[in-house]
Order: sequence, then C-alpha cells, then structure tokens
Amino acid sequence: GAGVSQSPSNKVTEKGKDVELRCDPISGHTALYWYRQRLGQGLEFLIYFQGNSAPDKSGLPSDRFSAERTGESVSTLTIQRTQQEDSAVYLCASSLVPGPGHEQFFGPGTRLTVL
Amino acid sequence: AQSVTQLGSHVSVSEGALVLLRCNYSSSVPPYLFWYVQYPNQGLQLLLKYTTGATLVKGINGFEAEFKKSETSFHLTKPSAHMSDAAEYFCAVSASNTGNQFYFGTGTSLTVIP
Repeated sequence: GAGVSQSPSNKVTEKGKDVELRCDPISGHTALYWYRQRLGQGLEFLIYFQGNSAPDKSGLPSDRFSAERTGESVSTLTIQRTQQEDSAVYLCASSLVPGPGHEQFFGPGTRLTVL
Repeated sequence: AQSVTQLGSHVSVSEGALVLLRCNYSSSVPPYLFWYVQYPNQGLQLLLKYTTGATLVKGINGFEAEFKKSETSFHLTKPSAHMSDAAEYFCAVSASNTGNQFYFGTGTSLTVIP
C-alpha cells in the first residue's frame, strides 16, 4: 500500500494477557518509530529502528514492552502481561531518511483496551 | 531536553474566522518544528515543518506557521476556517541533540462552528 498500515485496528484484551501489534511501514523507509498515545495526552516515544542498527529502546516504559523489526520491513510491538494502564492508541511511523528534521509518516494506529 | 507546550486543549472558531493554535517549545539547540493534523480514526498527517531558512512556513490546506526564536513559539494560523479543518492538531519538536526522538505536545482539538 501507499501508506503505513497497522493491525489490528482495535484490540480488546484481558489484564495479564500478551498482545502483539503489527506495523507495515512505507516501502523503502529505513526508519520506523513506535509511539503511545494515551487519552488526552500527546504522543509518547517508545522505540526507534534504523536499518540494521541497534534499536533505540529508551522510551519503552517497562520490560513488559518489546519490539522487533525484520530488516527494513514489518515491525511488531509486543506487550506482555498487559495492565489496564497499557490501554492507549499505539501509533507507528516511518521515515524515508532518519534524523530530526525529516517527516514521519504515521499509520492509523491500534487502539488497545485492557479490561 | 526538548519539550512542547500547546496552550488550549480545545479551540472553537466560527466558519470563516481566523484559526490560531499556539505552540511554545523548549530547546537548548536550534529546533526543528512540526505541525501535524489528526482526523478521526486516522494517523497523523504533516501540515508543515520548519527546519532552517525562512521563518514563515506555509503548509497544506492554507495553514502557515511562524518560527519566532525570541518567543520560542511556532503558532499555527489559517485566515479563514473551514468545516473540514475540524481535527486534532499536534505540535512537535526535534533537534540535533535529541537523537531520533520527536517530542509532541498534548494536542489541540479544533471545532469549527457553522
């Protein structure tokens, strides 16, 4: 597709269960970002991938959160033992060129609800 | 460290009136500044960005923003609001010393009254 896609669009889970969120970046985009958007708040940086370099995990809130990316394609964000405070919209973005001055293209997000 | 403050979580304007959404930033080095718009159930879309050069930046859909270093501001304006402008607007900052991180404000929800 032409844009960043994410799946599922909505996910409802029970506290304590694990969830996997998927992101397909724009083809050819080397940089990929994950953000969390809690209700009424701004975007919170989680993790960044750039090519085959080690990811920048500095935004992950706990060791229950992890992410992987295969080369310059699909990425999955995994949340283990979900808690109610994990409820949020998780946004993925990709960028053709990494770096602070370059536009990020966002997917529509996955709305996660933890009951 | 960088940060962004958006004054006014909700702004209402009449159709045809001026739109002014405020953004102030904090950065110890020259910033890169962005405005994104988010329509319901959609991802964020870039409206405009400032990197270097001209401080008045024009974006899509008739929006523009002016970088004012002395005021550490990057306010978003549009001369005449349309109904289709109703959305959530986010200001973001990044800089050479932030690595790959962008820092987003908490957003401003714009309502356009017919």
